[in-house]
Amino acid sequence: GESVGLHLPTLSVQEGDNSIINCAYSNSASDYFIWYKQESGKGPQFIIDIRSNMDKRQGQRVTVLLNKTVKHLSLQIAATQPGDSAVYFCAEINNAGNMLTFGGGTRLMVKP
Amino acid sequence: AAGVIQSPRHLIKEKRETATLKCYPIPRHDTVYWYQQGPGQDPQFLISFYEKMQSDKGSIPDRFSAQQFSDYHSELNMSSLELGDSALYFCASSRGPSGYTFGSGTRLTVV
Repeated sequence: GESVGLHLPTLSVQEGDNSIINCAYSNSASDYFIWYKQESGKGPQFIIDIRSNMDKRQGQRVTVLLNKTVKHLSLQIAATQPGDSAVYFCAEINNAGNMLTFGGGTRLMVKP
Repeated sequence: AAGVIQSPRHLIKEKRETATLKCYPIPRHDTVYWYQQGPGQDPQFLISFYEKMQSDKGSIPDRFSAQQFSDYHSELNMSSLELGDSALYFCASSRGPSGYTFGSGTRLTVV
């Protein structure tokens, strides 16, 4: 079936550097995506979302880029901090809006 | 701001026992979702409810059932528990196709 997935299982960055986490999706009809951060033993926490009528959206220290041509989105975290260490998931909302499907997570490790 | 409340936070059951997990969505959210997350895995969609009616169904075993009540809270009932059911169970709620918010989860351990 169609799914959302991530390229890298683990990303290690130096504190202060920028982080880029990637995600590929296969359903060209997908029109709404969310990035979640999950710390150990906790529920997924909303970071930022983007709809298909946009190619970029910025938040506080985070930017999501959407490339519909190649069905790819990325999460950029500026000036990565130790508190950013977590697993990051991209998620896709189906067209009916009643199911959110997660892709495989990427573990971000921030080195001091 | 109110969040999604799940109870209990931790639950230990023996094989073949029954467990009930509860979820209280954010006020005015009309949709509830249940997810199961095994160790090192991404959350897997189980089932969702919109306005107290089952909306969609994912990889939920026949031993599991769920419902949403008139006050919009939802319960996930799990019977004949197996060791493989040990996982984190998350509930999320949304208002239509927006505002997806997750609870802190229930950690179920089957021994």
